[in-house]
Amino acid sequence: DVVMTQSPLSLTVTLGQPASISCRSSQSLVFSDGNTYLNWFQQRPGQSPRRLIYKVSDRDSGVPDRFSGSGSGTDFTLKISRVEAEDVGVYYCMQGTHRPRTFGQGTKLEIK
Amino acid sequence: EVQLVESGGGLVKPGGSLRLSCVASGFSFTYAWMNWVRQAPGKGLEWVGRIKSYTDGGTTDYGTPVKGRFTISRDDSRNTVYLQMNSLQIDDTAVYFCSSDDIPTWGQGTVVTVSS
Repeated sequence: DVVMTQSPLSLTVTLGQPASISCRSSQSLVFSDGNTYLNWFQQRPGQSPRRLIYKVSDRDSGVPDRFSGSGSGTDFTLKISRVEAEDVGVYYCMQGTHRPRTFGQGTKLEIK
Repeated sequence: EVQLVESGGGLVKPGGSLRLSCVASGFSFTYAWMNWVRQAPGKGLEWVGRIKSYTDGGTTDYGTPVKGRFTISRDDSRNTVYLQMNSLQIDDTAVYFCSSDDIPTWGQGTVVTVSS
């Protein structure tokens, strides 16, 4: 199985400051169709997860533009340009290129 | 409104079986690839499996810990995806979510507890 490694596992950020989460895969996530199936999910406290980003950098509808995804191959990043209070929660990357799909361990974002 | 509603969770003894359901609404279920994902208490997300749309072959894939014990199926006439869980183990205790590749929203989850 492809191993997804996130860092850091915990992040404390001041309101209005940027945040960055790294996700690395044990194999390239480029699929045979040329797409890279790397998603980011947010799980707020006490809530179900929701997808924020798909195919590395495509934002889902309703997701604020302060969230952005980037990367290629085996190295990916989720950035929040200016952290707001509602961004508190756990963030997961997930690869959908290889079977079975696999998640990263999660990164807990807290506000200072 | 786009919605996924899971049901069927409960308490079951080790070695037992349970079938979960997820009813979808508000999007084109027929063409959607559907997933099951679980979250053990206090832990991260674990992908359980996926079923493709019948137009894409209707095939299934499973995570390593559940392969051979769990089966995903779908009934497009009912906009429903199922997760049949057999030979349940204590480590299968989790909240089980369904999701779709076509929408960002997940269901609220259903709780499965495996305990003697």
